[in-house]
Amino acid sequence: ETGVTQSPTHLIKTRGQQVTLRCSSQSGHNTVSWYQQALGQGPQFIFQYYREEENGRGNFPPRFSGLQFPNYSSELNVNALELDDSALYLCASSSPLRQGAGEQYFGPGTRLTVT
Amino acid sequence: DQQVKQNSPSLSVQEGRISILNCDYTNSMFDYFLWYKKYPAEGPTFLISISSIKDKNEDGRFTVFLNKSAKHLSLHIVPSQPGDSAVYFCAASESKIIFGKGTRLHILP
Repeated sequence: ETGVTQSPTHLIKTRGQQVTLRCSSQSGHNTVSWYQQALGQGPQFIFQYYREEENGRGNFPPRFSGLQFPNYSSELNVNALELDDSALYLCASSSPLRQGAGEQYFGPGTRLTVT
Repeated sequence: DQQVKQNSPSLSVQEGRISILNCDYTNSMFDYFLWYKKYPAEGPTFLISISSIKDKNEDGRFTVFLNKSAKHLSLHIVPSQPGDSAVYFCAASESKIIFGKGTRLHILP
């Protein structure tokens, strides 16, 4: 069984640029959530995708957008990057049976630095 | 406003003793509470959860206690082992999962 994978591992972008982060969910998991973890903070919920539809969103502006594909992999897109977007971006997948209980499987994250 | 609070940034415990990590919450509508563990350069790993209708859940060395009247939960690790050294996140689930800031646990030899 393959776990959650994310790419790239690290990324450096300039303010104003756009970035796309990718996530492959664990086999059999049809729900993907994205989180932003700033230094010294816990993960903050960005949004969740279920069967290719957005299924909940946290307090993030519209320049944070996402996609989920038929194979349940997902992308997080951030436009007009700001310095405060520098963070670890985590993707988590969950199975239909355990989603309601909050049990998720996280990838190792993508470290984004905006200069 | 923080709905899930972990007031201790760090905790040091002797190997073999009990580690107790605490968490407070403000939203009485949360239906599940969870603990995740995170090692450096890895994503958080699910450890244990508890439904809001229960007051205790045990899994091996890990036990989570929920006190709904006090809006407080705790994670007990007995006995503590060196591999338990990590950052522990308390989280609560309603329509989305909300995480605390984490507590760094150091197990001392």
